[in-house]
Amino acid sequence: EDQVTQSPEALRLQEGESSSLNCSYTVSGLRGLFWYRQDPGKGPEFLFTLYSAGEEKEKERLKATLTKKESFLHITAPKPEDSATYLCAVQERWGEQFYFGTGTSLTVIP
Amino acid sequence: NAGVTQTPKFQVLKTGQSMTLQCAQDMNHEYMSWYRQDPGMGLRLIHYSVGAGITDQGEVPNGYNVSRSTTEDFPLRLLSAAPSQTSVYFCASSRETGTGDTGELFFGEGSRLTVL
Repeated sequence: EDQVTQSPEALRLQEGESSSLNCSYTVSGLRGLFWYRQDPGKGPEFLFTLYSAGEEKEKERLKATLTKKESFLHITAPKPEDSATYLCAVQERWGEQFYFGTGTSLTVIP
Repeated sequence: NAGVTQTPKFQVLKTGQSMTLQCAQDMNHEYMSWYRQDPGMGLRLIHYSVGAGITDQGEVPNGYNVSRSTTEDFPLRLLSAAPSQTSVYFCASSRETGTGDTGELFFGEGSRLTVL
């Protein structure tokens, strides 16, 4: 049973065209939800941690939000350098393991 | 600050050979873990450790062995390599375990393994 599901699998945007990536989760109690960026041939790079519903965090053109069942990564006016795979992960309240989704591959076309 | 260092970056093995993927971190993190990443499967946890002398299995532990003799190092051993173990392996560490405020995972650059 998947704890973390990301959609869409792939997304192509024109430069400047804003959009959102979705991460839905089914853990019984959430300790933390994490967003990562992964470039080809590299390890995932940490972006955000969200702890409770209603929380929001921003970094440059990225904004992450959290509800009780899902998180969104909003990308405002993306640039080609935002092209990457974006991964979502959750950690359960009483556990130590991190559960990852399969990612959204974002391509921003100039 | 080096963060998480993995070696080797690339390795080709024949079926049945054994090898060790090395992982070291210099952030004094208690939590360390190994993942494999395969197309369409995402990152899957192999083994993890919450401190020196303590290890536990993740989602896909078969065919792999780990030990944690120091806080800094967490090697992953492939006992008898199989083609199904062809993958990209990532080591990751985090500052926090237990019931406290969680910390994010810091990843190494990955080790790409091919088993023929």
